[in-house]
Amino acid sequence: RKEVEQDPGPFNVPEGATVAFNCTYSNSASQSFFWYRQDCRKEPKLLMSVYSSGNEDGRFTAQLNRASQYISLLIRDSKLSDSATYLCVVNSPNFNKFYFGSGTKLNVKP
Amino acid sequence: NAGVTQTPKFRVLKTGQSMTLLCAQDMNHEYMYWYRQDPGMGLRLIHYSVGEGTTAKGEVPDGYNVSRLKKQNFLLGLESAAPSQTSVYFCASSGTGSEQYFGPGTRLTVT
Repeated sequence: RKEVEQDPGPFNVPEGATVAFNCTYSNSASQSFFWYRQDCRKEPKLLMSVYSSGNEDGRFTAQLNRASQYISLLIRDSKLSDSATYLCVVNSPNFNKFYFGSGTKLNVKP
Repeated sequence: NAGVTQTPKFRVLKTGQSMTLLCAQDMNHEYMYWYRQDPGMGLRLIHYSVGEGTTAKGEVPDGYNVSRLKKQNFLLGLESAAPSQTSVYFCASSGTGSEQYFGPGTRLTVT
C-alpha cells in the first residue's frame, strides 16, 4: 500500500468553480501534513501546511481528518492561474522523510 | 536569501560518464534530500541526510552516491551514467517537523 494516495485527475473545471481534492495516508502516527503545488517542469512549492483544526488561506482551505486518515484541499473561485498539479505530502513520524502523493492535476478553463 | 540552489541546471552526459550535482541551502536546515522525477510521475526519493556527515538510502538509491561534508551542501554523484538516469533531479531541505523547500531542479539527459 502506498504511503499517500491521491486521485490523479485531471480535474477540468471552469473559472469560478469550487473544486476539492482528497488524499489518504497510511501511517496513523504521521504528524505533519502539507499541500504543494507543482507547475509543469518546475519545482514543487509549498501551498499550505495542514493543521488539525483546519486552516484557510484566501481561496484555499485545508482540512485534516485524523480518524479517517485523509487530508483535503478546497479551492474556491478557481482562476486560470490555479492550473497545476497539487501534491499531498505527509511527514514520517520521526520527521526524517516526506511521502508524496502522485499528484492531482487541475485544469481551469476559461 | 537564496533558499535552495542547484548546480548545474542542465546537463547532457554520454553513457558511462560520471558527474556530481551540487545542492546548497542557506536556511541552516538539518535535513536534505535528493529526488528524481520522471515525466508524468511523482517524486521518488534517492538519498537523504539528517545532518552533517550522515546519509541514508531512499526509495531508488541504486546507481547514485551522496555526501554531506558540510551542513549546507548535499552532493549527488553518478559514477557511471545510464540512459535510465535521464530525469529531472530536485534537491530539498527542511527543518525538524517543518515543510520542505525545493531547488529549481537539474535536467539531466544521458545518451
